[in-house]
Amino acid sequence: GAGVSQSPSNKVTEKGKDVELRCDPISGHTALYWYRQSLGQGLEFLIYFQGNSAPDKSGLPSDRFSAERTGGSVSTLTIQRTQQEDSAVYLCASSRLPSGGGGADTQYFGPGTRLTVL
Amino acid sequence: DAKTTQPPSMDCAEGRAANLPCNHSTISGNEYVYWYRQIHSQGPQYIIHGLKNNETNEMASLIITEDRKSSTLILPHATLRDTAVYYCIVRGYGQNFVFGPGTRLSVLP
Repeated sequence: GAGVSQSPSNKVTEKGKDVELRCDPISGHTALYWYRQSLGQGLEFLIYFQGNSAPDKSGLPSDRFSAERTGGSVSTLTIQRTQQEDSAVYLCASSRLPSGGGGADTQYFGPGTRLTVL
Repeated sequence: DAKTTQPPSMDCAEGRAANLPCNHSTISGNEYVYWYRQIHSQGPQYIIHGLKNNETNEMASLIITEDRKSSTLILPHATLRDTAVYYCIVRGYGQNFVFGPGTRLSVLP
């Protein structure tokens, strides 16, 4: 079936502009995660949505970052007043939660959005 | 912080088995061992996971020691397309995935 999709695949913006990144999770997956990966680095957790629960925003690096998930499906990550240090690949993942354990919450990742802030 | 320790890099000859080790000495009883890999410029790809029994799927085998303090991911016949960074992750149900630096596997012709 269709996997996690993200758009755009690449985004180049100027410092100070706002950007919106979109994630379409796998149909039926109740959990959605955002990560970012700077060049040559590991994945950094940003935010986690689970059903109708309040999102876990503990990984957001500053108040310029926000995310929402409408209708329990599509999510948008918004970065306001972008800075050069925001340049990274932004990855979205979804998992089937909440039923079961172990494999039920295996995360499946999208291809990412490469953000470049000039 | 990642709960796992992996060698930073490994080489493997094409067609041979690639054995990637992972130490997770502080793993608790309800935590699973997951393996993902990331091929250059792509999102991480799920490979396999396990709790205490050895597991096998179409991609790989996962061998977990009896004390669960370490595990090995085995790619039985490595190909050039298996060149990637391999991440070993320990997590409990519903917890966040914490990705460490992983092991960069280079499959050599």
